[in-house]
Amino acid sequence: GENVEQHPSTLSVQEGDSAVIKCTYSDSASNYFPWYKQELGKRPQLIIDIRSNVGEKKDQRIAVTLNKTAKHFSLHITETQPEDSAVYFCAASNGGGFKTIFGAGTRLFVKA
Amino acid sequence: NAGVMQNPRHLVRRRGQEARLRCSPMKGHSHVYWYRQLPEEGLKFMVYLQKENIIDESGMPKERFSAEFPKEGPSILRIQQVVRGDSAAYFCASSPRGENTEAFFGQGTRLTVV
Repeated sequence: GENVEQHPSTLSVQEGDSAVIKCTYSDSASNYFPWYKQELGKRPQLIIDIRSNVGEKKDQRIAVTLNKTAKHFSLHITETQPEDSAVYFCAASNGGGFKTIFGAGTRLFVKA
Repeated sequence: NAGVMQNPRHLVRRRGQEARLRCSPMKGHSHVYWYRQLPEEGLKFMVYLQKENIIDESGMPKERFSAEFPKEGPSILRIQQVVRGDSAAYFCASSPRGENTEAFFGQGTRLTVV
């Protein structure tokens, strides 16, 4: 079945450094890749998404890259801040009915 | 727009009881998804519904679990004869259409089975 693998499971960085989270997916029909941020005890919230017709997308300190040939995509956070500390989930879905498959999550700690 | 509303926020059930979790999607959204999140784990897809139809229930356990999204009223996730392993956070999400659009999540229902 469809699968999304996410690495690392835990990431600790110093404030101001960059953080990179990587995901791979198995369903070659996937064409929509959202990233969600979940703070402790709260709901997941979309922070950025990318569609398969685009290789890269940037929104202020956050960027996502997509390599459809290799079936992997990455989240880049630059100039990290303590408030970036949260669990980040990558996800992949195809146009057939929006069965979104999530990665297992990356717990990001930003040390002040 | 009140967003996706889930209730209750917290639910405690004894083993063997039934749990009913409710989800009201955002206004104008006709697609609802349920996910389960175990402590310290990711979101596991359970079921995808449109009004009066189950589109994909491949992530739902075959026994004890059922879901519906009636023409009127909220979507309901029903767990019969709960066991301790059902303890988790259950998140509902909705979107205006099925293909490749952002899903908005509710606050979740934290089910504890004692």
